[in-house]
Amino acid sequence: SAVISQKPSRDICQRGTSLTIQCQVDSQVTMMFWYRQQPGQSLTLIATANQGSEATYESGFVIDKFPISRPNLTFSTLTVSNMSPEDSSIYLCSVEAARNTEAFFGQGTRLTVV
Amino acid sequence: SQQGEEDPQALSIQEGENATMNCSYKTSINNLQWYRQNSGRGLVHLILIRSNEREKHSGRLRVTLDTSKKSSSLLITASRAADTASYFCATDARGNTPLVFGKGTRLSVIA
Repeated sequence: SAVISQKPSRDICQRGTSLTIQCQVDSQVTMMFWYRQQPGQSLTLIATANQGSEATYESGFVIDKFPISRPNLTFSTLTVSNMSPEDSSIYLCSVEAARNTEAFFGQGTRLTVV
Repeated sequence: SQQGEEDPQALSIQEGENATMNCSYKTSINNLQWYRQNSGRGLVHLILIRSNEREKHSGRLRVTLDTSKKSSSLLITASRAADTASYFCATDARGNTPLVFGKGTRLSVIA
């Protein structure tokens, strides 16, 4: 299993500013995943954070808007840049201990942009 | 898109009743997983069923998988108010791809 500490748990931000979300895992994992969950919706994958290389972004998400860092095998950050009210969502990080096994999630960051 | 579809979108039942949620998907999978989410918090893994399995149990949970119909169901027996949450299926496709989540079912269990 894996325990993920994600912070902040929530924030209210002004439009045009940026917020960095951190995820710390209690064990080394190869891949970490960042998801967005818009109000009342399912999870949409933003990107896969790979240690030692650039993140792999899904269609509709770009590095300039959602820069990701992965400095080691236990930590990653996602920044939501130049925020607008449309970025108001829950952001979640996730890991898989091994391929084709269950995923573990952080508690999420509830972001409100005003 | 590979995204799964759950139905119903919302389900309201009395405590003690059984709750059944269904999930359909579009591509070949290695496994299908069910997750629970309380009030917009992180997801908690409930059960994983592999593509060569047809049924799996865990406590009050029963999951079935029909790969010919590309569908799965989650049954929660003897529901409790504490089961109130959103439930998502997620498919793990063949190849090195991340999980893809369905749209979810919001379950309300009324005491």
